Amino acid sequence: NAGVTQTPKFQVLKTGQSMTLQCAQDMNHNSMYWYRQDPGMGLRLIYYSASEGTTDKGEVPNGYNVSRLNKREFSLRLESAAPSQTSVYFCATRQPVKGAQHFGDGTRLSIL
Amino acid sequence: GQQVMQIPQYQHVQEGEDFTTYCNSSTTLSNIQWYKQRPGGHPVFLIQLVKSGEVKKQKRLTFQFGEAKKNSSLHITATQTTDVGTYFCAGDSGNTPLVFGKGTRLSVIA
Repeated sequence: NAGVTQTPKFQVLKTGQSMTLQCAQDMNHNSMYWYRQDPGMGLRLIYYSASEGTTDKGEVPNGYNVSRLNKREFSLRLESAAPSQTSVYFCATRQPVKGAQHFGDGTRLSIL
Repeated sequence: GQQVMQIPQYQHVQEGEDFTTYCNSSTTLSNIQWYKQRPGGHPVFLIQLVKSGEVKKQKRLTFQFGEAKKNSSLHITATQTTDVGTYFCAGDSGNTPLVFGKGTRLSVIA
C-alpha cells in the first residue's frame, strides 16, 4: 500500500511562476490536509478538505488554492510563487472519527 | 482560536539520559496525539490519548494526558540514538482540525 503519495518530491521555481502540488491517497479517508513546515514553526495548516466536494481555509491560506478532485486526490496550487513560500509541504489524510493522521513524504519547494 | 504550546523547543541529551517534552493547550481537548518526525522524514503517528489522566506506555516511551485534558507529556527513558527527531503533540477540540504544537527537537549524543 502506498498510503499518501505526493508529487513532485523536489521543485525549484522562479518568483512569479505557478505550480500545482499533487497528493493522492489509497486509504479511503474522507479528510485530507495540506501543511507547510518551516524551521522552528512546526506544521502550519494551509487548507483542508473534510470530504469530497468541500474545502476550508486553515491557518495560512494566502497565496494558495486547493482542489479536491475526488476522494483520492487533493491538490495545492501556487498561482504566483513568492520566495516566502519556500518550504516543505506535507499532505495528510485522517482516519475517521478523530483518528490518526497519515502524512506523505513531502515536497521540498524552493522559490528563487 | 485554540493554541497548543510545546516546550522545550530543543533538547540535547547524552545517550542513556531521560527526556521529557510538555504540551499545553489553551482549551480543553477531546484527545491528544503524538507524532515523531525523523530528520528529513515526515511525521509519523505514535499514540492517541483520550481519557482524563490517561497514561500509556510504548517500550521506553510514556505518554500522559492531564486530569483537566489541557496538557500532556511524553517521557523517554534511557534515550538511544534511534530516538533522535522532532516530537509533536497535536490537540483535538470540537470539529476543527488537529492543532499541532511547534515540536521539540531531540538530539542524542552518543
